Amino acid sequence: NAGVTQTPKFRVLKTGQSMTLLCAQDMNHEYMYWYRQDPGMGLRLIHYSVGEGTTAKGEVPDGYNVSRLKKQNFLLGLESAAPSQTSVYFCASRPPTSGGRTEAFFGQGTRLTVV
Amino acid sequence: AQSVSQHNHHVILSEAASLELGCNYSYGGTVNLFWYVQYPGQHLQLLLKYFSGDPLVKGIKGFEAEFIKSKFSFNLRKPSVQWSDTAEYFCAVNARNQGGKLIFGQGTELSVKP
Repeated sequence: NAGVTQTPKFRVLKTGQSMTLLCAQDMNHEYMYWYRQDPGMGLRLIHYSVGEGTTAKGEVPDGYNVSRLKKQNFLLGLESAAPSQTSVYFCASRPPTSGGRTEAFFGQGTRLTVV
Repeated sequence: AQSVSQHNHHVILSEAASLELGCNYSYGGTVNLFWYVQYPGQHLQLLLKYFSGDPLVKGIKGFEAEFIKSKFSFNLRKPSVQWSDTAEYFCAVNARNQGGKLIFGQGTELSVKP
């Protein structure tokens, strides 16, 4: 049981390049999230999904797109990378229950540097 | 919109000192509250959670937190810290009528001196 797996773990991009980060979970969770972690800023929610085929904007969605075509996968795309998107990206998943009384499980993170 | 504020950005303590980290949220409705810990180089792990009932909740490794509804607070405490508690601590809130949206605070870096 792998839990939440993020691919890749490290990446260096040039400004203007595009890339997709993959998050895969094998726990059959409905909810999935993408966060970015920056020093002094904590974790900021980029986008999230409450089920297959659904996505919603979080706190800092600009410059990112997401897709949830399969329940177990949540993809985060950067169409034209900018240095301001240099960050550590965390994916999380969470099972739904009445009233949201469940914890989130996190992946190991993806360290992205845009030069 | 819901938000979470952690006022202590960096706390430095000696071993055996007591710890209290502040967390305040802004949302008037019913919430689920969490504290997560991130050890250096690792991903986030759950310390404890509050959904309902007794406002004093106990988590792993001797941590506890108290939910004070009137103050919109969920402060984390530990009577006696250890060097191994050196980590970053995050408070998180999920407002029950906002579906799965889970918002984190800015984090508090705790450094414990041996």
